[in-house]
Amino acid sequence: KQEVTQIPAALSVPEGENLVLNCSFTDSAIYNLQWFRQDPGKGLTSLLLIQSSQREQTSGRLNASLDKSSGRSTLYIAASQPGDSATYLCAVISGNTPLVFGKGTRLSVIA
Amino acid sequence: NAGVTQTPKFQVLKTGQSMTLQCAQDMNHNSMYWYRQDPGMGLRLIYYSASEGTTDKGEVPNGYNVSRLNKREFSLRLESAAPSQTSVYFCASSEALQGMTDTQYFGPGTRLTVL
Repeated sequence: KQEVTQIPAALSVPEGENLVLNCSFTDSAIYNLQWFRQDPGKGLTSLLLIQSSQREQTSGRLNASLDKSSGRSTLYIAASQPGDSATYLCAVISGNTPLVFGKGTRLSVIA
Repeated sequence: NAGVTQTPKFQVLKTGQSMTLQCAQDMNHNSMYWYRQDPGMGLRLIYYSASEGTTDKGEVPNGYNVSRLNKREFSLRLESAAPSQTSVYFCASSEALQGMTDTQYFGPGTRLTVL
């Protein structure tokens, strides 16, 4: 059974700092990995999707990498801003299993 | 273009009552999903519909039923609500017909409390 783990569970950084969020998964036979953002009391917004054949995806200040063989992904946020404060969720699809989510990392960027 | 919409936004039920959560998408997506989100448990899949006319169980289907009414709408029904079903429910959709390999788009959620 696929399991997704995100470390740390919470992170607080000063504005302007570069940071890395980590995601690991137990079954490396994945179709894709997705990073989502969730603001308090809101739904999820897709940030980046990495297909299994890709190594990374970039969108603005966000860069996500994927290492299938080691079962790891990282989300890099450059020059963090208070508006980046949210919970970041990692999710994978493998085999015939729909998205399996990690429990998220709650990020606070302090001005 | 509203994306994925859910009704109601909030609901309070008494144990044993029934209700239906409604979800609609206007992106012409083939696949739709229902999740629940609980503190410390993350998001868990209840049911999904890979295409119009089909539905499949997810990780936590017990106590729920679903109906894919048409391509746009996917409803979730609680026949006899229990306090353990207190949660935030999210509906999502994606373009993929098979394999669910595309980006999922989420609705704003329904906050359900069962007393």
